[in-house]
Amino acid sequence: DTGVSQDPRHKITKRGQNVTFRCDPISEHNRLYWYRQTLGQGPEFLTYFQNEAQLEKSRLLSDRFSAERPKGSFSTLEIQRTEQGDSAMYLCASSFRGLAGHYNEQFFGPGTRLTVL
Amino acid sequence: QQQVKQSPQSLIVQKGGISIINCAYENTAFDYFPWYQQFPGKGPALLIAIRPDVSEKKEGRFTISFNKSAKQFSLHIMDSQPGDSATYFCAASGSYGKLTFGQGTILTVHP
Repeated sequence: DTGVSQDPRHKITKRGQNVTFRCDPISEHNRLYWYRQTLGQGPEFLTYFQNEAQLEKSRLLSDRFSAERPKGSFSTLEIQRTEQGDSAMYLCASSFRGLAGHYNEQFFGPGTRLTVL
Repeated sequence: QQQVKQSPQSLIVQKGGISIINCAYENTAFDYFPWYQQFPGKGPALLIAIRPDVSEKKEGRFTISFNKSAKQFSLHIMDSQPGDSATYFCAASGSYGKLTFGQGTILTVHP
């Protein structure tokens, strides 16, 4: 399967603990996006990378959140001192530059479901 | 700030019927409008997308209609099937690629 993969699929943690999620994009996709989706809502943009450079961060991404893409391939999203409000599905997507120069077509992974007790 | 508004929140259609979901956007810098399908516990899957230089795009049973002046676009699912039962999201993006999603429509197709 050459799609976007995410690990773990589910994470249950206690409030105050740190958690880290991993995303492996489709090979040769140089853009990687993180989104957060709460129950009954559409995904909300968190941050994105072009290769290893983090180009934009949403206001939703508080200081407790950090994302990296050290070698321009896989990415990690870490949440420190988790709060119950962090409970959500964390989605990763990747895209490539199309013939017309657009990066729009994004392919999503299955997500990591985080539950903070 | 909700830049993409989607309606209805839920939709029930009989098998073989037409499902219609509508979206409206505010940001005139948006130039790419995809629709995603999501099943419970899964990530969104791209269904079909359109750019503002065309007013309609059809792929199989799925059609996007786009009205640039009204800043609205819609998804039509022809001959709806029970397997189409899922949550559908419209979205929009500009040149940087990040997607702004609508709130979703839960579609139920009865056999």
